[in-house]
Amino acid sequence: GAGVSQTPSNKVTEKGKYVELRCDPISGHTALYWYRQSLGQGPEFLIYFQGTGAADDSGLPNDRFFAVRPEGSVSTLKIQRTERGDSAVYLCASSLSSSGGLDTQYFGPGTRLTVL
Amino acid sequence: AQTVTQSQPEMSVQEAETVTLSCTYDTSESNYYLFWYKQPPSRQMILVIRQEAYKQQNATENRFSVNFQKAAKSFSLKISDSQLGDTAMYFCAFGGGSEKLVFGKGMKLTVNP
Repeated sequence: GAGVSQTPSNKVTEKGKYVELRCDPISGHTALYWYRQSLGQGPEFLIYFQGTGAADDSGLPNDRFFAVRPEGSVSTLKIQRTERGDSAVYLCASSLSSSGGLDTQYFGPGTRLTVL
Repeated sequence: AQTVTQSQPEMSVQEAETVTLSCTYDTSESNYYLFWYKQPPSRQMILVIRQEAYKQQNATENRFSVNFQKAAKSFSLKISDSQLGDTAMYFCAFGGGSEKLVFGKGMKLTVNP
């Protein structure tokens, strides 16, 4: 595949609903990252996977947020009981490997989540 | 904790002119990387240029170059011969000490014809 892909491109949901956002990284990239970008801000780190395991989930804001990467490729970010404050663009990135943040991260186009 | 500051929220430049975007950062790490990403309205973050902190030579990529001042913790981006396609949000980012990137708030650049 060419680059990082994310689906859906846009998601509108109602407060209290559950949503899943999908990320398909560049083939062969072992490291995968999720970021959240609120309006007028830079992206903020949520979670990082090295292979199948979440190596750093310190950016997840609360226990309503969860992410998985069961086979070390595609990842899903899951948000339970959505709140209006969860509205943002969710960006996924991948890199060839992870070595202390020194490898270039390549980003997908993001999913714009709107919680009504 | 690392911080990245972009103090100019918005700039405009005429096509074919040169523009400089500023960025400062704070860290106690000795080994790190700095990045400039471009985000057009399509939302996709595109890498413009990267700089390794241990390299004294400033990175260049075609029309894009950086002025990296390690002691001052400054990392500015110079765009020469500005083109209409350069219109976008530009984000400065720090990578080092952990796997995550720390981004500034971004700066909106408009290139006018």
